[in-house]
Amino acid sequence: EDKVVQSPLSLVVHEGDTVTLNCSYEVTNFRSLLWYKQEKKAPTFLFMLTSSGIEKKSGRLSSILDKKELFSILNITATQTGDSAVYLCAVRLGNKLVFGAGTILRVKS
Amino acid sequence: EAQVTQNPRYLITVTGKKLTVTCSQNMNHEYMSWYRQDPGLGLRQIYYSMNVEVTDKGDVPEGYKVSRKEKRNFPLILESPSPNQTSLYFCASSPHRDGDEKLFFGSGTQLSVL
Repeated sequence: EDKVVQSPLSLVVHEGDTVTLNCSYEVTNFRSLLWYKQEKKAPTFLFMLTSSGIEKKSGRLSSILDKKELFSILNITATQTGDSAVYLCAVRLGNKLVFGAGTILRVKS
Repeated sequence: EAQVTQNPRYLITVTGKKLTVTCSQNMNHEYMSWYRQDPGLGLRQIYYSMNVEVTDKGDVPEGYKVSRKEKRNFPLILESPSPNQTSLYFCASSPHRDGDEKLFFGSGTQLSVL
C-alpha cells in the first residue's frame, strides 16, 4: 500500500526559531513530491521536487528530496507567526496524489 | 482570475437526501480531482478525472459519484449521504503534464450529514 508519513505531527516554536519538517514515503511509480501550506482552508502550493539533491528555495523556506532514502524535508528559517499552518506533503504516483496527514506548526510570538 | 470554484461553502443535510457539490475551473486544466479531509487522516482522494468522460476511483470512492461532461466542471454527487461522510471536501485541478503538476484547490465545502 502506498504511504506518505509526515513528522512530527505537531510542534510549537518561538518566533525566530528554525524548523525542519519531515516527509517519508513508500510508494510505487514515484513521479514527484509536493509541499503545501494550509492556513484556513484551501492548501496553497509551496514546492514541487522531482530530482534528488536539488534544493528548492523561496524566501525563508527551502526543501530537498532524497530519492534513495525516500524522504524530503521542508526547512523554515527565522520563523514568524504567519508561518503557523498545517504543512502537507504529497507524492504523485502516476495519475494520483497521495497526501500525508500533515504537520501542524504553531509559531508563538 | 484563475481559480477553482466550489459551491456551496457550507452544507448541512440529513441522512439519505441526495446532494451535489459543484466544482468549476477556468484554467482549461485536463486533470480534476476530489478530496476529503478528516482530522488526523490528511487529504484522501475520492475520484479523479484525466479528461472529459474519463474518471477513475481514488482511495475512498465508496458512497460518491462524479461526472466529467465538460472540461471545466467536475461535480461530486452523494446519492444517499451518511454521517460518516461528514467532512471537509476539496476540489482541485492541475495541468498535470510532466513537470507541471501543481494542484490548484478550491476553497472547500464543509459538509455535515445529520
